[in-house]
Amino acid sequence: QKEVEQDPGPLSVPEGAIVSLNCTYSNSAFQYFMWYRQYSRKGPELLMYTYSSGNKEDGRFTAQVDKSSKYISLFIRDSQPSDSATYLCAMSTATGANSKLTFGKGITLSVRP
Amino acid sequence: KAGVTQTPRYLIKTRGQQVTLSCSPISGHRSVSWYQQTPGQGLQFLFEYFSETQRNKGNFPGRFSGRQFSNSRSEMNVSTLELGDSALYLCASISTGSPTDTQYFGPGTRLTVL
Repeated sequence: QKEVEQDPGPLSVPEGAIVSLNCTYSNSAFQYFMWYRQYSRKGPELLMYTYSSGNKEDGRFTAQVDKSSKYISLFIRDSQPSDSATYLCAMSTATGANSKLTFGKGITLSVRP
Repeated sequence: KAGVTQTPRYLIKTRGQQVTLSCSPISGHRSVSWYQQTPGQGLQFLFEYFSETQRNKGNFPGRFSGRQFSNSRSEMNVSTLELGDSALYLCASISTGSPTDTQYFGPGTRLTVL
């Protein structure tokens, strides 16, 4: 079993839709949770991070963590064609010397005008 | 502030050759990490360097190695290339912070092994 599982997609939605992206994990030592966005031919760009259970909101994006269920989600409200990209969840057990990130495989989102 | 620079952006090599990739982190960042991204395996951690010392290593064979210089620039080397080494190699510049470090990725080097 992989440490981090992410819905494989691809996902296609109409402009304005609410998008829900999800990851599950098996390692209960993960404490820090991130979402990255990767456009074609670019490196991943950090969207949001959180380290506690609950919700964190940033504009149209909301990150949700449920540590008891080992489940994290990213919600995108009022999706735009510019949101079309690959979204990767990432997790780490600690900072500093052990801050390596373990990624999900990513899901490709397409927002249709 | 300039972002993470990786050179070259694209590289084509043949099996058995070796390759060196370069990464210049964001000014002031002393730590860099390297990842391999493939369609089949996704992003996988290779290693991390802090102040010229490797302090974490992923599950890759010894053909993959790296180093960091005193100016924080980093290189990774892959010897005896195999077809399966074809991938996007990403360098991340790490900002130490609280409660967690933040990793900023470069555009990557696309390596194709023929």
